Amino acid sequence: EVQLVESGGGLVQPGGSLRLSCVASGFTFSNDWMSWVRQAPGKGLEWVANIKQDGSEKNYVGSVKGRFTISRDNAKNSLYLQMNNLRAEDTAVYYCSSGSYCDYWGQGTLVTVSS
Amino acid sequence: QSVLTQPPSASGTPGQRVTISCSGSSSNIGSYNVHWYQHLPGTAPKLLIYTNDQRPSGVPDRFSGSKSGTSASLAISGLQSEDEADYYCAAWDDRLIGWVFGGGTKLTVL
Repeated sequence: EVQLVESGGGLVQPGGSLRLSCVASGFTFSNDWMSWVRQAPGKGLEWVANIKQDGSEKNYVGSVKGRFTISRDNAKNSLYLQMNNLRAEDTAVYYCSSGSYCDYWGQGTLVTVSS
Repeated sequence: QSVLTQPPSASGTPGQRVTISCSGSSSNIGSYNVHWYQHLPGTAPKLLIYTNDQRPSGVPDRFSGSKSGTSASLAISGLQSEDEADYYCAAWDDRLIGWVFGGGTKLTVL
């Protein structure tokens, strides 16, 4: 059974940083693209970033370029999202997702950016 | 405003057939496959349809997808109360170099 478990969310002040983690199990992590997708309160899903199997290709939505960094550790079956210079509009539930079409999703971790 | 356009809401009675549209452009739906997701608040989103019209194992055949030109649609036949959820379309966009989602359609089963 595929499992994706996110962690690292919490309350942070504007301008602060957080590092999200996602631990995967039940599939060959190193074979899959991985993505982060978020949902702000009362809003729809928004793709944030994705990373190729070997980490050689990374893509970001425009609003986070230069502030967020996606990475992965295939030896630890783990995906990460380093979020710097956080803004109020980054407040959302952040989901980790696996596969070329976001086949599987975790339950999400809540990030709240507020003073 | 989302790059892919969906109606904000849809509704039907049990047993009815409902369709949800998703409109895009040549840089996304016109060039790439469309995928659909079902999301119940507080839970993990679920892949419902991939590559325009393919169902993952375990998804009932009441759900079907199609694509034509720069638009796609999701059809749900034999509507059931448990189908009440938010539905999203998504596609790769080569102008934005990223995935784009529709704004979501809230389906109500009356």
